[in-house]
Amino acid sequence: DAGITQSPRHKVTETGTPVTLRCHQTENHRYMYWYRQDPGHGLRLIHYSYGVKDTDKGEVSDGYSVSRSKTEDFLLTLESATSSQTSVYFCAISGLAGPYNEQFFGPGTRLTVL
Amino acid sequence: GDSVTQMEGPVTLSEEAFLTINCTYTATGYPSLFWYVQYPGEGLQLLLKATKADDKGSNKGFEATYRKETTSFHLEKGSVQVSDSAVYFCALSEGQGAQKLVFGQGTRLTINP
Repeated sequence: DAGITQSPRHKVTETGTPVTLRCHQTENHRYMYWYRQDPGHGLRLIHYSYGVKDTDKGEVSDGYSVSRSKTEDFLLTLESATSSQTSVYFCAISGLAGPYNEQFFGPGTRLTVL
Repeated sequence: GDSVTQMEGPVTLSEEAFLTINCTYTATGYPSLFWYVQYPGEGLQLLLKATKADDKGSNKGFEATYRKETTSFHLEKGSVQVSDSAVYFCALSEGQGAQKLVFGQGTRLTINP
């Protein structure tokens, strides 16, 4: 199994509070991704990183920010959580560029915003 | 933009039945196509992939053929097992650099003994 951990695995928070989710990898892969999974939508890309301090927006980036200060860590921050951000969040990594490579997924973080 | 459409679920079958999960896509270019599987409580795992027209991806008895003329990538298995119960996602990616996957909505499969 690819060495990807996510923390916390579960979190319940209140509307308006800041939340940070952490993804940690031990594979030294260049690319890291954050997705959210919602019923009826599959997974949707939030943000991704192509190197330390290099990040870009995905399909559903509004309300989220990311940071990558080290190769192994990719943080997802909800500056002011809303109920619409209740979801399961997955981190993924890949080592190579191009459209045909495998992404390895972490175990997910279930976030509930009350 | 790019999109992926999967057949609606949930799908319930008996053990040893034949499985088909339909997947069609819309893309501006020439994408790579994937099937990912998610077992209960876990993240996604790559099941199989195809990178060009008429390629057949296969793994664990599952197969899918990249059909450019019908923009489809249907997943099939000849004889399903209880252990195949999971959620299956069709996905595509295209372009260079970071691989930005576009997923279908997922199909929940339950196999009864």
